[in-house]
Amino acid sequence: GAVVSQHPSWVICKSGTSVKIECRSLDFQATTMFWYRQFPKQSLMLMATSNEGSKATYEQGVEKDKFLINHASLTLSTLTVTSAHPEDSSFYICSAHSGNVVREQYFGPGTRLTVT
Amino acid sequence: GENVEQHPSTLSVQEGDSAVIKCTYSDSASNYFPWYKQELGKGPQLIIDIRSNVGEKKDQRIAVTLNKTAKHFSLHITETQPEDSAVYFCAASRAGGTSYGKLTFGQGTILTVHP
Repeated sequence: GAVVSQHPSWVICKSGTSVKIECRSLDFQATTMFWYRQFPKQSLMLMATSNEGSKATYEQGVEKDKFLINHASLTLSTLTVTSAHPEDSSFYICSAHSGNVVREQYFGPGTRLTVT
Repeated sequence: GENVEQHPSTLSVQEGDSAVIKCTYSDSASNYFPWYKQELGKGPQLIIDIRSNVGEKKDQRIAVTLNKTAKHFSLHITETQPEDSAVYFCAASRAGGTSYGKLTFGQGTILTVHP
């Protein structure tokens, strides 16, 4: 299957700082990427849908000014957690697929964010 | 919106036994149902999927069945092995509109296979 990478795999930051997480599709062009958050022993919760060249669509309850998403190219999407707080500590996972018709979503390995 | 319920939340089996995980969905327009395996500290890995025009799909020891009328689908793992131990998630999505293939996930099942 297709390969999706994330960087960094883990990050520790201080409260009040911003952190950027990158999601890349390595062997296909991703017209749509998704960002999820997963708390321990819980399911994946969709945060936003990102389409190349357009603004991201955020799920209800997700602050768009806090979680900035940029999908500047067909192989790269970034999530920036601004003014991070300890409650933002979580496992952030991206996924990608190559078109509206193709349904298979391929997930990245995730990024563990810890805010101290 | 779509709601996916998954059962059981935990499942413990002996090596060689079969394991079955069941999911129900609420949106009759959903037409794509993937299953993911997630190991600790890793992202989900697609293991099998089924589309609404098919009732069953099999890939070696893994099979998925779909009952559109009842709106439920199941994952079947035969001849389980310790390396099958992980968290399994079902999901559902629908075509068309602005959903872009957005997935709704079940709550997950922790499968433990004892040697």
